[in-house]
Amino acid sequence: EIVMTQSPATLSVSPGERATLSCRASQSISSNLAWYQQKPGQAPRLLIYGASTRATGIPARFSGSGSGTEFTLTISSLQSEDFAVYYCQQYNNWPYTFGQGTKLEIK
Amino acid sequence: EVQLVESGGGLVEPGGSLRLSCAASGFTFSSYYMHWVRQAPGKGLVWVSRINSDGGSTTYADSVKGRFTISRDNAKNTLYLQMNTLRAEDTAVYYCARDRGLNLGTFDIWGQGTMVTVSS
Repeated sequence: EIVMTQSPATLSVSPGERATLSCRASQSISSNLAWYQQKPGQAPRLLIYGASTRATGIPARFSGSGSGTEFTLTISSLQSEDFAVYYCQQYNNWPYTFGQGTKLEIK
Repeated sequence: EVQLVESGGGLVEPGGSLRLSCAASGFTFSSYYMHWVRQAPGKGLVWVSRINSDGGSTTYADSVKGRFTISRDNAKNTLYLQMNTLRAEDTAVYYCARDRGLNLGTFDIWGQGTMVTVSS
């Protein structure tokens, strides 16, 4: 099973600033990586797939990069609605696995 | 509106059974692979099971293999998860999720989730 490790566990950033979240895979997953956003009491929402392709309706301030084992989600200018938990997920191998999440909180 | 609505969760004793349902609307259900993903209280997301578009192929996480069965009724636009021999560690919110296409591996539409609590 591929282990996905996200860092940091919690990130404190001020509105309007840039946030950078990291995700590492225990073995190469090519570009088969997705990012999800989850707010309290809500279902996750797909943000990015293919490591860098934004899903339908996702604002351009969200961008993804990386391949192989190292990936990054960048939020260029944080809005109040962006404070949430973010998960990465690999879909290169069965079983599909998620990272443990990064909580993005207001500084 | 594209929508998934789960039902069937509740409190069940260890060793018991429960069947979850997920009603789909607003899209051609029979054209998509579907998944179940769960989230224990305060924890992260865990993929549980997948079914192909016609129901002929299924895949399970090792933790539920032999105990859970995923199925679908394309005529009723409904996905199911039959859960048997439930354990305390199965306690979680269960989400049904639509694959972005035919086994693309990412989940673009999610239901609101249904809570399953396994406890005596």
